[in-house]
Amino acid sequence: QVQLVESGGGLVKPGGSLRLSCAASGFTFSDYYMSWIRQAPGKGLEWVSYISGSGSTIYYADSVKGRFTISRDNAKNSLYLQMNSLRAEDTAVYYCAKGQQRFFDPWGQGTLVTVSS
Amino acid sequence: EIVMTQSPATLSVSPGERATLSCRASQSVSSNLAWYQQKPGQAPRLLIYGASTRATGIPARFSGSGSGTAFTLTISSLQSEDFAVYYCQQYNNWPPLTFGGGTKVEIK
Repeated sequence: QVQLVESGGGLVKPGGSLRLSCAASGFTFSDYYMSWIRQAPGKGLEWVSYISGSGSTIYYADSVKGRFTISRDNAKNSLYLQMNSLRAEDTAVYYCAKGQQRFFDPWGQGTLVTVSS
Repeated sequence: EIVMTQSPATLSVSPGERATLSCRASQSVSSNLAWYQQKPGQAPRLLIYGASTRATGIPARFSGSGSGTAFTLTISSLQSEDFAVYYCQQYNNWPPLTFGGGTKVEIK
């Protein structure tokens, strides 16, 4: 079955960096676009970034543009999110999700990123 | 950016009753709308896509309707496992892909 497992979250100081990973299994990874979606504590869902199956097309939310970089390694069935210049408002659970016609199914269990001094 | 607005924020329903959740888009999204269910401490789960197509394994008591700017998720007879937060998401005009603020369905 399809499985997505995120890792790399943790506590980081404002201005710091973190790299999230998402290990995918159970499907042909390169055939699907992937996204990162985040959820601040007690809040709703916010789409963060999209990457096509080949990696040639990438989009970001305005709130992270210029600070976050999405990438993928199809040989390793892995998705990444490099997060730089982190701010307190980036504190959230970050989910990776498999794309289906621009909606998401399934989602990983999420990894918590806390930005605090 | 298309703004998605869900109402009500909280819906109190007794088990076995019908629940009707609303989602409105700031401009037409055609039928490019999905619904997700999220239980505490869990990732969201896809329920409905294309405004009315149930995802694999989703019980028939969940149904979606609407097009354009007004959408509804109906749970015909609430079961204990259905008490959760529900989000709508448009995927017609993007980026960005946008979600509604959510409706919490709680036990009355």
